[in-house]
Amino acid sequence: EVQLVESGGGLVQPGGSLRLSCAASGFTFSSYDMHWVRQATGKGLEWVSAIGTAGDPYYPGSVKGRFTISRENAKNSLYLQMNSLRAGDTAVYYCARGITTGAFDIWGQGTMVTVSS
Amino acid sequence: DIVMTQSPLSLPVTPGEPASISCRSSHSLLHSNGYTYLHWYLQKPGHSPQLLIYLGSNRASGVPDRFSGSGSGSDFTLKISRVEAEDVGVYYCMQGLHTPLTFGGGTKVEIK
Repeated sequence: EVQLVESGGGLVQPGGSLRLSCAASGFTFSSYDMHWVRQATGKGLEWVSAIGTAGDPYYPGSVKGRFTISRENAKNSLYLQMNSLRAGDTAVYYCARGITTGAFDIWGQGTMVTVSS
Repeated sequence: DIVMTQSPLSLPVTPGEPASISCRSSHSLLHSNGYTYLHWYLQKPGHSPQLLIYLGSNRASGVPDRFSGSGSGSDFTLKISRVEAEDVGVYYCMQGLHTPLTFGGGTKVEIK
């Protein structure tokens, strides 16, 4: 079964750091672009980052310089290192598999990140 | 950044009746390869989003044929031919042409 499982969420103080993980199974992980998308409670979806099959990263301006996406193909794992966290980063973070059309065809169940003192 | 605008915000529907959601982008989503990089997702209550339509009009695997996508350039529509109770949730359009990838604000579909 094709599956993505996120972990690593939790409560962190403003200015703190957190590392999210996404474990992939059921497909050839190294062959796909991977993404992180977040959703604040009651709000819409916001793309957070992407990493290509060659390890090339992409970020929106809202997280560039604070978040780092990486992948470890040997472990079928995707990561998101989040530094200098702000209250506005509070959200459920989803990892998603990207297909060549730029769409996300598989999503994880999400992990909650709360930034609060 | 490409801005995606959806309407309506909320759509009360009657089971068995059709429904339509509009999505407009601030720039054309036509790629030089001839494909239009517009995708639709449904987020059912309490669940992760799921892909419904990719490249404007292609149904994702397992998506019922009552769902259809149309449009071109910067003007798109998602149609449900006959709404069923399981179709409730929030529908999002998304552009996959340029980073940052951007979503519409969502359209909440609920049963009357």
